[in-house]
Amino acid sequence: DAGVIQSPRHEVTEMGQEVTLRCKPISGHNSLFWYRQTMMRGLELLIYFNNNVPIDDSGMPEDRFSAKMPNASFSTLKIQPSEPRDSAVYFCATLPGTTFTDTQYFGPGTRLTVL
Amino acid sequence: KQEVTQIPAALSVPEGENLVLNCSFTDSAIYNLQWFRQDPGKGLTSLLLIQSSQREQTSGRLNASLDKSSGRSTLYIAASQPGDSATYLCAVKTSYDKVIFGPGTSLSVIP
Repeated sequence: DAGVIQSPRHEVTEMGQEVTLRCKPISGHNSLFWYRQTMMRGLELLIYFNNNVPIDDSGMPEDRFSAKMPNASFSTLKIQPSEPRDSAVYFCATLPGTTFTDTQYFGPGTRLTVL
Repeated sequence: KQEVTQIPAALSVPEGENLVLNCSFTDSAIYNLQWFRQDPGKGLTSLLLIQSSQREQTSGRLNASLDKSSGRSTLYIAASQPGDSATYLCAVKTSYDKVIFGPGTSLSVIP
């Protein structure tokens, strides 16, 4: 298996532009998580899905952020409009089960820079 | 509110030394604790997962312990190697299906 796939790996955009980050989970994994990592705040959970359904989005910082999982093999995290403070590394992670009792598998991340 | 801290923030040791990384959490009501490794520019790799009912887990040269009552976990690395250089993060699963990560310890093993 190729593991969790994220695209793009790097994104540079200007303030106000829409940004879409993509994640392809490991086949058969039922849970998918979006994290954001910054030097100041460390690794933060933004939202997670079980069986394509959003379970907890309380970590999403603002209404400018939205996430979807239209099917079991694809998820997106969208920022519209983007701001410089959104600059961070965004990780997608998946779990084979439906709880946190198992091991999370992380993708390589998308490094976002908003100018 | 659950808070996770890690000490030290950075550590530099000569090759071959045994070392201990520390993780502390404020709320003992956790489901499990997990140690991850992060290489520069890469994602996180799970090293060890300790369920709340367990006291320790071992994998090769790594041993992780968990003391829920004191809110502490340690990651012991035996006979360190330059390839162990990375950032090590601990994460706790809280009662509300959330995972809270510590800030990490940056480890450098000098040949």
